[in-house]
Amino acid sequence: AAGVIQSPRHLIKEKRETATLKCYPIPRHDTVYWYQQGPGQDPQFLISFYEKMQSDKGSIPDRFSAQQFSDYHSELNMSSLELGDSALYFCASSLGGLYIEQFFGPGTRLTVL
Amino acid sequence: AQKITQTQPGMFVQEKEAVTLDCTYDTSDPSYGLFWYKQPSSGEMIFLIYQGSYDQQNATEGRYSLNFQKARKSANLVISASQLGDSAMYFCAMRGTNTGANSKLTFGKGITLSVRP
Repeated sequence: AAGVIQSPRHLIKEKRETATLKCYPIPRHDTVYWYQQGPGQDPQFLISFYEKMQSDKGSIPDRFSAQQFSDYHSELNMSSLELGDSALYFCASSLGGLYIEQFFGPGTRLTVL
Repeated sequence: AQKITQTQPGMFVQEKEAVTLDCTYDTSDPSYGLFWYKQPSSGEMIFLIYQGSYDQQNATEGRYSLNFQKARKSANLVISASQLGDSAMYFCAMRGTNTGANSKLTFGKGITLSVRP
């Protein structure tokens, strides 16, 4: 079965650089979520999109932006990277609905030097 | 606001024995869902089991079962017949309905489980 695809899987950037993370949800899934998991931490919700519109927003820095495109893939854009942005970034997708499981991608491990 | 509490220190279990991982939660939502995820050292998040707040029976999925006690606001994960591959971080999470159908997950801090041969 198709799963959530994230690219790249690993990314190394310097401070103050920009990064773009991509997420391809499971086909027919209409909702995408982004989570950030720092080292030894629990995942923290950043932002979500439903039918290409932002549906919820969490603790996402102003330096980050995201969008969902017409083909339902999503991109998380990160600018002016800081050392503290080093984390595992997960994308998850779901088919909406109240109790539907969120399927997680493998994550993008971002290291900021 | 939703809150998940996982306070156990690192857990150890002997292979083939059962283990219970604790999770308590707090929410003002009248209906909600509770989830358990497994995160091995490789980093991926693996869905294990789900319990709806109005489900009459405790959820079970193979070796995983959820001991749901709504009045006590607890949703403990029971793993039976532990295997070496069960060694991982386990997260309890919940989603409510106050932000609509597409609600974010709120995670606990996680519990590290180590299975001894």
